[in-house]
Parts: sequence; C-alpha cells; structure tokens
Amino acid sequence: GQQVMQIPQYQHVQEGEDFTTYCNSSTTLSNIQWYKQRPGGHPVFLIQLVKSGEVKKQKRLTFQFGEAKKNSSLHITATQTTDVGTYFCAVNQAGTALIFGKGTTLSVSS
Amino acid sequence: EADIYQTPRYLVIGTGKKITLECSQTMGHDKMYWYQQDPGMELHLIHYSYGVNSTEKGDLSSESTVSRIRTEHFPLTLESARPSHTSQYLCASSDIAGGWETQYFGPGTRLLVL
Repeated sequence: GQQVMQIPQYQHVQEGEDFTTYCNSSTTLSNIQWYKQRPGGHPVFLIQLVKSGEVKKQKRLTFQFGEAKKNSSLHITATQTTDVGTYFCAVNQAGTALIFGKGTTLSVSS
Repeated sequence: EADIYQTPRYLVIGTGKKITLECSQTMGHDKMYWYQQDPGMELHLIHYSYGVNSTEKGDLSSESTVSRIRTEHFPLTLESARPSHTSQYLCASSDIAGGWETQYFGPGTRLLVL
C-alpha cells in the first residue's frame, strides 16, 4: 500500500535557525497534507497541497509539493519556541484511510 | 474547526479490565478513526469507519473492537486491558471537501494500565 517516508525523525535547532522536514513517496501522490502536533496535544491540520510544484506560505512556514508529486517539504524560517512539536505529512489514498508519515519532531532551544 | 470530544481524558485501570473509550463529533462527518500514539511518536491506526454500520480494521486492531451505530458516536472497547495498552488514544473525524479528506482530531484519552 501507499507509504510516505518522512525525514528527519528528530531535529534540534537554536532559536532563529531554519528548519525543514521532507516527505517522500515512491509513487505519485494525488495530494499531500501537513499537520502539527504540539507536545501533549493532538494533530492539527495545517495545509493541503494538490498541484504539481505548488508552493504555499503561512507566515514563516513554506510548504512545497514537488514537480513529480512524489515529495513535499515544510520549511520554517527563523524558528521560534512556539514551533516545537511533531510535524506529520499525510496523503489521501482512494478507498482507505488517510496515510500519515511517522513525523518529524522539532525541538528549539532559546 | 470540528467539534470532536473524547472521554475520559485520563484513565488508570488494572490489568484485565474491560474499558470503553468514547468519541463523539457534532459535525456530521461520515468517516471516523481511532489511533494509538505514544508521546512524540507515529500514529498507529486501530480502526476506522466510513459511516453508520461500517467498521474497518487498521494496523493494531486485534485487541480492540469498535461500533458505529450513530454517525456522531464511535466508541472503542478494549476487552481485557494490558500494560502494553498504556498509551494515548486519539479519535478523529474527516471532512471531505472537494474530494479531499481532512482529519480533525479529538483531545485524546491517556490510558495507563497497571
């Protein structure tokens, strides 16, 4: 079945540094979503990408969908302590449940 | 944001007990899910449902059961709790807009089995 590989599993940065997490698939994806889970919280939907090469921004967060629709990235510029948490990518697979990556856990030290 | 509720929020129980975790949503979503997640780790799909009277097994379904008698209610039952069941249990429901599914998660139930 559909699988998505997410890297890195963990990332620690100093406050103000940039951060990127990647989501990769061996097959072409129809779309990709990103979720954020704060420590002790539950995943919250951030954004969905559908088109090849699509780029969307939310303040310091930039989301990109690859031209071949097989990978995606989430980039945070100048991280803040409020960015800590685990970021998950997820893909829709026809006829089954939404498939989540294993997540990238970001820690930020001030 | 969808309104999805889980009770209890925290539960400490002894080995061998039968427990039911409750999940309700008021958005009229057809698809609902149960996940097991250890802190900061991946989401493991336990069960999901496409709608009333529909239930499907996920990766970790063998030790639990679900029912979907009403659209808004999707309870999860562990017939005999074990320490290995200690974890957080997240319920979610899906909104399907434009053909794409977006999940909304409840606050979770933290279970400790002694």
